[in-house]
Amino acid sequence: NAGVTQTPKFQVLKTGQSMTLQCAQDMNHNSMYWYRQDPGMGLRLIYYSASEGTTDKGEVPNGYNVSRLNKREFSLRLESAAPSQTSVYFCASSERVYRGRGTDTQYFGPGTRLTVL
Amino acid sequence: EDQVTQSPEALRLQEGESSSLNCSYTVSGLRGLFWYRQDPGKGPEFLFTLYSAGEEKEKERLKATLTKKESFLHITAPKPEDSATYLCAVPSGSARQLTFGSGTQLTVLP
Repeated sequence: NAGVTQTPKFQVLKTGQSMTLQCAQDMNHNSMYWYRQDPGMGLRLIYYSASEGTTDKGEVPNGYNVSRLNKREFSLRLESAAPSQTSVYFCASSERVYRGRGTDTQYFGPGTRLTVL
Repeated sequence: EDQVTQSPEALRLQEGESSSLNCSYTVSGLRGLFWYRQDPGKGPEFLFTLYSAGEEKEKERLKATLTKKESFLHITAPKPEDSATYLCAVPSGSARQLTFGSGTQLTVLP
């Protein structure tokens, strides 16, 4: 199992350009997540998909859109990139959001390092 | 507001020198506490999940414990390969969101 994979690994954009970050998981997980990680801010949730066909906003959704393409794939789109979106983006997945005893463990991909000039 | 605070921010140990990392949290109704390890340029790697006060989990030189207000990650006789940033996280809001601490950067010197 590859686990959670992300493409691309690195990307440089100019302000105003658009791009889509791709994420796929092969663990047959129901739930998927997008986080961004910034120095001193920790990991912050952008959007999540509790199950195929559903998406919801997290803590910092402005400037982003997501698509749950199927059970395996969850993409993150920047329609008009801004320098404030320079960050490292991580995709994660879990079997489900919540079990009877608590929240399920999330497993992370290797990240996409995005620079917006 | 749910909060997670990790201390210290950075820790330097000699190889073999045991120590503990702290994760204190304020959430309304704990639904799990997660420990991750993150190496430079990599994604967080899952270590442990703790669900109840008093619960303990071990993996090699690492042992995680949980009380009602904090969790400790004890590192016994660390090796240089244990050098990494250790993150803790708790579910918040509707339990769909993990709130992460800012991490403890551990350096183990040979």
